[in-house]
Amino acid sequence: DSGVTQTPKHLITATGQRVTLRCSPRSGDLSVYWYQQSLDQGLQFLIQYYNGEERAKGNILERFSAQQFPDLHSELNLSSLELGDSALYFCASTFGEGRNQPQHFGDGTRLSIL
Amino acid sequence: AQSVAQPEDQVNVAEGNPLTVKCTYSVSGNPYLFWYVQYPNRGLQFLLKYITGDNLVKGSYGFEAEFNKSQTSFHLKKPSALVSDSALYFCAVDGNNRLAFGKGNQVVVIP
Repeated sequence: DSGVTQTPKHLITATGQRVTLRCSPRSGDLSVYWYQQSLDQGLQFLIQYYNGEERAKGNILERFSAQQFPDLHSELNLSSLELGDSALYFCASTFGEGRNQPQHFGDGTRLSIL
Repeated sequence: AQSVAQPEDQVNVAEGNPLTVKCTYSVSGNPYLFWYVQYPNRGLQFLLKYITGDNLVKGSYGFEAEFNKSQTSFHLKKPSALVSDSALYFCAVDGNNRLAFGKGNQVVVIP
């Protein structure tokens, strides 16, 4: 068990809708990272937060947004959903924001767009 | 921009035989290299990392990896594979404070 909790585990919705994915990092970790995993794109980094502030941005679409709250949990908001947004979304956490720390991953949220 | 190549889609190996999963990377500056493993319906689990120092890195579950700067490679190895090692393995490089993952290698250990 990594200590990172993601909810919900599965989400089924329709095109054009909006969803929120939630992540609670491992106890004591200050950094949260979001990734998208799909068959055609592989594992893509989306965005990182450290202690409530955005630290790095990857291939995140403008329809997607994230935030990290004072209690350090994070939410990833996906809007105007398209069929191609169907994927596994992972959250990971580390204590600091340094490059040399292994990331601890949650078990992901599987998003299916119908 | 940093990138990782894992040239083989699938690696088949008989139980008890040595296992090698290949990874080459491209990054400007000193690389921070990682191996992760993913079991079905689970998140990635950290196996080992190379930051600096000894080129041979030992990690979890008997895995090790060798960093080769001249060949820009970081191959994952295990002397004797187990059926329970069957999983998806990802190599990753951190070149500018974000991880870039390879496409992953499916390892199948045949009893």
